[in-house]
Amino acid sequence: DAKTTQPPSMDCAEGRAANLPCNHSTISGNEYVYWYRQIHSQGPQYIIHGLKNNETNEMASLIITEDRKSSTLILPHATLRDTAVYYCIVRAPQEAAGNKLTFGGGTRVLVKP
Amino acid sequence: KAGVTQTPRYLIKTRGQQVTLSCSPISGHRSVSWYQQTPGQGLQFLFEYFSETQRNKGNFPGRFSGRQFSNSRSEMNVSTLELGDSALYLCASSGDTMTYNEQFFGPGTRLTVL
Repeated sequence: DAKTTQPPSMDCAEGRAANLPCNHSTISGNEYVYWYRQIHSQGPQYIIHGLKNNETNEMASLIITEDRKSSTLILPHATLRDTAVYYCIVRAPQEAAGNKLTFGGGTRVLVKP
Repeated sequence: KAGVTQTPRYLIKTRGQQVTLSCSPISGHRSVSWYQQTPGQGLQFLFEYFSETQRNKGNFPGRFSGRQFSNSRSEMNVSTLELGDSALYLCASSGDTMTYNEQFFGPGTRLTVL
């Protein structure tokens, strides 16, 4: 799986959009970009994933650059409950790599009132 | 649908003992993965079981082992415990789609080795 680089921490104001960057310059053509988050003392929670198109769900939006070397997770209206560590993960499809997830250090997001 | 359950939630052992942790996946999920989380090393993949077979293995010593039963429930065992094995052990289950899989994590078992 390709390596990812994320800023170690960032603050965000409640109600504002939070933009979380991730670099994955060595990503391969069949590798997906996944985002998970871990709220303190809980197991990680899936947020969203994408291959090359931008994706949106009820939790967030994922913007992937055209060259796929970086992506941005957008939390449109951050709430205090969004305070968590956010992990950007790159992995191959299940049929190639199973379900192994390689977690990096993540970005510790603190949403402030 | 019930989520992933792990038992016990907390465990205290002493060095040299062994421990068995249990994970019940979401109904219908056949893949179960185990992860170790420590403050120093972060979240690290231990192994994955699919249909009772180990499909992936991380870089952990042989003291760490696991198995999966026909009902997809999984156990992991750590023998000859060391102080460094103190960690949060997380289990995740996922379904069988071919290309991608959302993994659902349990609350974890917090193991303390004294």
